[in-house]
Amino acid sequence: DAKTTQPPSMDCAEGRAANLPCNHSTISGNEYVYWYRQIHSQGPQYIIHGLKNNETNEMASLIITEDRKSSTLILPHATLRDTAVYYCIVRAPVFGRGKLIFGQGTELSVKP
Amino acid sequence: GAVVSQHPSWVICKSGTSVKIECRSLDFQATTMFWYRQFPKQSLMLMATSNEGSKATYEQGVEKDKFLINHASLTLSTLTVTSAHPEDSSFYICSARDQQAPRETQYFGPGTRLLVL
Repeated sequence: DAKTTQPPSMDCAEGRAANLPCNHSTISGNEYVYWYRQIHSQGPQYIIHGLKNNETNEMASLIITEDRKSSTLILPHATLRDTAVYYCIVRAPVFGRGKLIFGQGTELSVKP
Repeated sequence: GAVVSQHPSWVICKSGTSVKIECRSLDFQATTMFWYRQFPKQSLMLMATSNEGSKATYEQGVEKDKFLINHASLTLSTLTVTSAHPEDSSFYICSARDQQAPRETQYFGPGTRLLVL
């Protein structure tokens, strides 16, 4: 699975949009981009995933560049409860195979 | 969304004893489950892939005789830490793959914190 690169930490003001970047320059054509987050002392929480089109759900939006070498997770109105470590992972969804391998992620701090 | 539970949520044990951790998918069937370990200030490290009805696949460097995994049903996988030692103290997290979900999304349990004295 392709390796991802994320900034180690970011700050965001409460109520503003949080834009978390991820580089995955070696991504293959069949690999999806997944985003998870981990709030302190809890298990990771699924946020969103995508292949090449932009995706949006009730939690966030995912913007994938046309060449698919990078993506951005957008939390439109960050709250204090969004403070967490955010992980960007690429994985090929081969049936019965394909493992989620976590990198270091981005520690997002939402400040009042 | 899909729910994965773990039991116990925390455990303290004496060195040399064995500890069993259960992972259950509550509202979906999971033929594949995963076990991760996380040390303080570090990311999650995949230990093994658990397949229902067959032997688990361990990641390089993980001792299969020390971390026994059993996936006897489509909703339950167990991890047994045998002869636990203080260096096994960690946060153990399981994950289950919902094969009916879009792109087989994985969902994670809340984790089990193990402290070996």
